This record gives sequence, C-alpha cells and structure tokens, in this order.
Amino acid sequence: SQKIEQNSEALNIQEGKTATLTCNYTNYSPAYLQWYRQDPGRGPVFLLLIRENEKEKRKERLKVTFDTTLKQSLFHITASQPADSATYLCAPSGSARQLTFGSGTQLTVLP
Amino acid sequence: SQTIHQWPATLVQPVGSPLSLECTVEGTSNPNLYWYRQAAGRGLQLLFYSVGIGQISSEVPQNLSASRPQDRQFILSSKKLLLSDSGFYLCAWTGGGGTIYEQYFGPGTRLTVT
Repeated sequence: SQKIEQNSEALNIQEGKTATLTCNYTNYSPAYLQWYRQDPGRGPVFLLLIRENEKEKRKERLKVTFDTTLKQSLFHITASQPADSATYLCAPSGSARQLTFGSGTQLTVLP
Repeated sequence: SQTIHQWPATLVQPVGSPLSLECTVEGTSNPNLYWYRQAAGRGLQLLFYSVGIGQISSEVPQNLSASRPQDRQFILSSKKLLLSDSGFYLCAWTGGGGTIYEQYFGPGTRLTVT
C-alpha cells in the first residue's frame, strides 16, 4: 500500500539557520507533490507544488526538491524565523482529484 | 476572491447522537470538495470527496456519510456518533475539471464525542 514518511515528528532549529524537512514515499509514483503549512487549530495552507519533471522550485525563502528516483522530496526554509514554527505536511499525488498527506513534521524555530 | 466556511467551529456531542457539519464555498463554481478528519497529533485522513452535485466518493467505510445538495455546499453527517469520531474535521476545495490544483482548507470543526 502507499506510504508517506516525513523525517521526524519534531524538528528544532536555531533562528537564522536553514530547516530541512524530508518526505519519503513508497509504492507509488506521484506526478506531483505539494507542501502545506498547518498552524495549531487551523486548516493547512498551501505553500508549493512541484511536478515530477521539475527538480527544484523556489518561493521566497522556501525551496522544494523532488527526486523521483529516490522517491523523496526535501523542503528547505532558509534564514528561518520563529514565525516559521508550524507543522509542515507533504502530499505526493498522482491524481488531480485526491491528495494523500503525510503525518507532518512539527518545526520549532528557537529565537 | 474565494472563501470557504465551516460551521460550527466546535461541537461536543454524546455518543449515539446525530451529526451534521456544513461547508460552503464562495467565489468559485463547480469545485471539487473534500472532507478530511485529523485525529490529535495525526495526519489528514480523506473521508469523502465530490466532483459535482450528488456525486460522492467515500474513501473510508464508517458510520459517516456526505452529501452535496448544491454546487458549493458539502455536508458531513452521522446518524449515531462513536467515541472514535472525535477529531478535527476539515473541508477543502480545489478547482474542478481534472486540472492539478492546490487545495484550500476551511477553518475546521473540532468535534468531541463524549
């Protein structure tokens, strides 16, 4: 069955450093992959989408890579700030109609 | 601009009672609509999705049901709640037509079954 693993449940880093979150998937080949941010008690918010034929995508301080050979996506936040503290969810998908979400990584940026 | 509403925001219901959660979307037409549940500290579980009025696909067999009586209205129901139905219920929409679109989520309903 399809499985999505996000590197760790919690990640603490110092302000100003680069946070790197990992999303690994098995038993399917997604055509694209999305990353979302979720704050406590709120719905997820879309951040970035990367397609299988794209190796890297950037948006401001965010960068996403997608390696279909390794079946892995990396999500980077450069110059991290305490306001970046949240849970980040990855969602690899082969279907435009459905997304399957990982359980998320809770990032805490320490001042 | 598009907005998505969910109500109620919080709900405490006894075991065995019925449930009705409502989701409405404004500013778009013919959206794909989704219901997710998120247990405490867990990921999102897709419950139902709909590509049009009266069209419902169920992902997880359980005591919940969904209906789409209007283009921009999606309702989640249960006749008898179980303790295991507690969780954070999220409605989401995306553009219809099969094009790849990001999903936009509502504010959620926190359901506690006692």
